[in-house]
Amino acid sequence: DQQVKQNSPSLSVQEGRISILNCDYTNSMFDYFLWYKKYPAEGPTFLISISSIKDKNEDGRFTVFLNKSAKHLSLHIVPSQPGDSAVYFCAASEGGTNAGKSTFGDGTTLTVKP
Amino acid sequence: NAGVMQNPRHLVRRRGQEARLRCSPMKGHSHVYWYRQLPEEGLKFMVYLQKENIIDESGMPKERFSAEFPKEGPSILRIQQVVRGDSAAYFCASSLERTGSGGYTFGSGTRLTVV
Repeated sequence: DQQVKQNSPSLSVQEGRISILNCDYTNSMFDYFLWYKKYPAEGPTFLISISSIKDKNEDGRFTVFLNKSAKHLSLHIVPSQPGDSAVYFCAASEGGTNAGKSTFGDGTTLTVKP
Repeated sequence: NAGVMQNPRHLVRRRGQEARLRCSPMKGHSHVYWYRQLPEEGLKFMVYLQKENIIDESGMPKERFSAEFPKEGPSILRIQQVVRGDSAAYFCASSLERTGSGGYTFGSGTRLTVV
């Protein structure tokens, strides 16, 4: 049972346009949602997170939106740049005694074309 | 200040041998996590440790796999009697606090190939 799902394995956008990466989850106990970016042969790099009590968090070109009723979150990148081409992982973690470990989706490969 | 250091970067083992993967967390980080990534899949949680303690090992296979984070030195993920299915990228991460909001700092991973 996959608790965090990224249903689009890949996404291609033109430089300067908006990239929207989607993520769905099933576990109502998740307290935090995070996005990581990964280049080949490197470890993931933390990008941005959002608490379950918020519906939006913004950091520069990156904005994460959370829809708790739909158990859905999305990462918006505006404007997209060729250097944003990477695999993006959505992750979620619980709080309390289960805090610490994160559950990851399978990733979406973003390609930004010049 | 170096980030999370993992070594070796690449490790080749024959079936039946032992694999030892090392991870030094970021300076000041006392929480260490191990994840495994199979080809075309996401990262799967294996184990969460603090100094000298295993906090959560719910993702660890019950046999052949063990992890430790001693008082001194790096965290070690040990795989005994490796099989071809153990071939994967193993990532270590560390964090300052236990809460999930701040994200982890990951190392570059160890790519284990079992031949």
